[in-house]
Amino acid sequence: DAGVTQSPTHLIKTRGQHVTLRCSPISGHKSVSWYQQVLGQGPQFIFQYYEKEERGRGNFPDRFSARQFPNYSSELNVNALLLGDSALYLCASSFSPDSNQPQHFGDGTRLSIL
Amino acid sequence: QKEVEQDPGPLSVPEGAIVSLNCTYSNSAFQYFMWYRQYSRKGPELLMYTYSSGNKEDGRFTAQVDKSSKYISLFIRDSQPSDSATYLCAMSGLNFNKFYFGSGTKLNVKP
Repeated sequence: DAGVTQSPTHLIKTRGQHVTLRCSPISGHKSVSWYQQVLGQGPQFIFQYYEKEERGRGNFPDRFSARQFPNYSSELNVNALLLGDSALYLCASSFSPDSNQPQHFGDGTRLSIL
Repeated sequence: QKEVEQDPGPLSVPEGAIVSLNCTYSNSAFQYFMWYRQYSRKGPELLMYTYSSGNKEDGRFTAQVDKSSKYISLFIRDSQPSDSATYLCAMSGLNFNKFYFGSGTKLNVKP
């Protein structure tokens, strides 16, 4: 079975632009979470979605938004990009948003801001 | 103070050694504890998943949780060069729907 798939794998943008990152969860998984991983740090929680509804939000500005589609895939949008947004953006999926459900990660989208 | 503290290393050991990786945390509400392995340019891969205090063994890997000390460990027996990666601890609470990660420990197993 396919794992969590993310696209694109790499992206280069300039300051002020916007970006859309995409994620397809493992088949059967209905919950998708987004994380930002800056080089040398652990992943930081951005959003969690379940059944197309936002279930949790981390400490990120309103420039970050996301949505989940009926097929449980998800998009992360970032507007007005800043140099500090350069990071690996990870998507994780699980059966449900409950804490007892381990999350499985994709290989991420590496975003570079020039 | 970060909620989860993890020594970034790097930790360098010879092949066959026993490796001990550790994390401490401050939030007593954490109940679920996980270890992920992350190879360069890859996403984190789930290794171990435990609930509350105690030990869990899976092949060469053993996870330990001591909630009284707010301290978790991952032991790797008979370490192999293929174990060279960054190891991330993660944890969550009963009512939390997000995981808190440590900053990762980089492990290098020398042949």
